Amino acid sequence: AQKVTQAQTEISVVEKEDVTLDCVYETRDTTYYLFWYKQPPSGELVFLIRRNSFDEQNEISGRYSWNFQKSTSSFNFTITASQVVDSAVYFCALSEKDSWGKLQFGAGTQVVVTP
Amino acid sequence: DVKVTQSSRYLVKRTGEKVFLECVQDMDHENMFWYRQDPGLGLRLIYFSYDVKMKEKGDIPEGYSVSREKKERFSLILESASTNQTSMYLCASSTRLAAKGVDTQYFGPGTRLTVL
Repeated sequence: AQKVTQAQTEISVVEKEDVTLDCVYETRDTTYYLFWYKQPPSGELVFLIRRNSFDEQNEISGRYSWNFQKSTSSFNFTITASQVVDSAVYFCALSEKDSWGKLQFGAGTQVVVTP
Repeated sequence: DVKVTQSSRYLVKRTGEKVFLECVQDMDHENMFWYRQDPGLGLRLIYFSYDVKMKEKGDIPEGYSVSREKKERFSLILESASTNQTSMYLCASSTRLAAKGVDTQYFGPGTRLTVL
């Protein structure tokens, strides 16, 4: 069963618009970790952020922000004032406790930012 | 700086060939992983290794094997390549934390394999 759901397949925005990517996860563990990765056209996955299940504090890093809500099992990601360089596929991933760090990925959301 | 390298960016093989995909990391990480990426499916774990000579099956190990003879190197082997193994293959590594703990995985650039 899919444990990480990214319902948005593709989002297209014009530069400087904000874009929010949704991620819903499913786990029975009380201890788990959530990640966001970015995959630009070059293909390499770039790590963006990691949160553990005990830390619901939302985070802002430059133009990126994350909203973690355990009550709705969601870990959403927002890019503020998007730029063309933000065009990429973004993956949400879950790692459960005692899993050797194995990641379970969502299907990814393609973000297209046009000038 | 974190560095994971993969032997080839693009590879074309014929059905039935034995294929080796190599991954090397220079971060002294204990854990290494092989994923395949297909459109609409995200990344799926094929095999992983938490130590030299140790390996564990992931979600889709059928048709693949792995080898980890040295800490820095993790090889993925397609014993007899088939067209349904055409895919992007991504290698990753991470530190091993206590009690199978979770640390961030760092990825290589990927190998796009086409099997004809």
